[in-house]
Amino acid sequence: KQEVTQIPAALSVPEGENLVLNCSFTDSAIYNLQWFRQDPGKGLTSLLLIQSSQREQTSGRLNASLDKSSGRSTLYIAASQPGDSATYLCAVVEAAGNKLTFGGGTRVLVKP
Amino acid sequence: DAGVIQSPRHEVTEMGQEVTLRCKPISGHNSLFWYRQTMMRGLELLIYFNNNVPIDDSGMPEDRFSAKMPNASFSTLKIQPSEPRDSAVYFCASRPPGVRTGNTIYFGEGSWLTVV
Repeated sequence: KQEVTQIPAALSVPEGENLVLNCSFTDSAIYNLQWFRQDPGKGLTSLLLIQSSQREQTSGRLNASLDKSSGRSTLYIAASQPGDSATYLCAVVEAAGNKLTFGGGTRVLVKP
Repeated sequence: DAGVIQSPRHEVTEMGQEVTLRCKPISGHNSLFWYRQTMMRGLELLIYFNNNVPIDDSGMPEDRFSAKMPNASFSTLKIQPSEPRDSAVYFCASRPPGVRTGNTIYFGEGSWLTVV
């Protein structure tokens, strides 16, 4: 059974610092990995999707890397802003099925 | 595009009552997912449909839970009878057809259920 872990569960940084969020998964047979953002009281918004054949994806200040063989992905957010405060979740689509398995999320607070 | 629409947004009900949550996926999407989110267990997949057919319901916690998708634009998740431990946020999500590896999943705003 696929298990997705995100450490740390919470992170607080001063504005301007770079954020590094970690995601690990136990079964490397994945189709893709997605990073989501969730604001309080809201649904999830997709940030980046990395195919299993890719090593990284970039969108603006966000960069996500994927090392499938070691079961790890990292989301980098450059020059953090207070508006980046949210919970960030990673999820993998398993090769054996169509569903996403989510990590527990990392709650981020960027202090002005 | 209106996105995935869920109703009700908030519901408070008494233990033992029937609860029906509704979802309208994005037009043209052919996969629909029901997730439950709690502080203790995070996001759990309850069931997902492909082309209106339930594919995997292994996450449905027990027989009190049932889900239907009578057509491509509507799905329901029903809890009968409800219990306090069912209190959670229930998310519906949909995904467009095509190469499954490359398609993003879109979430609704969630239905916040409290059973007292």
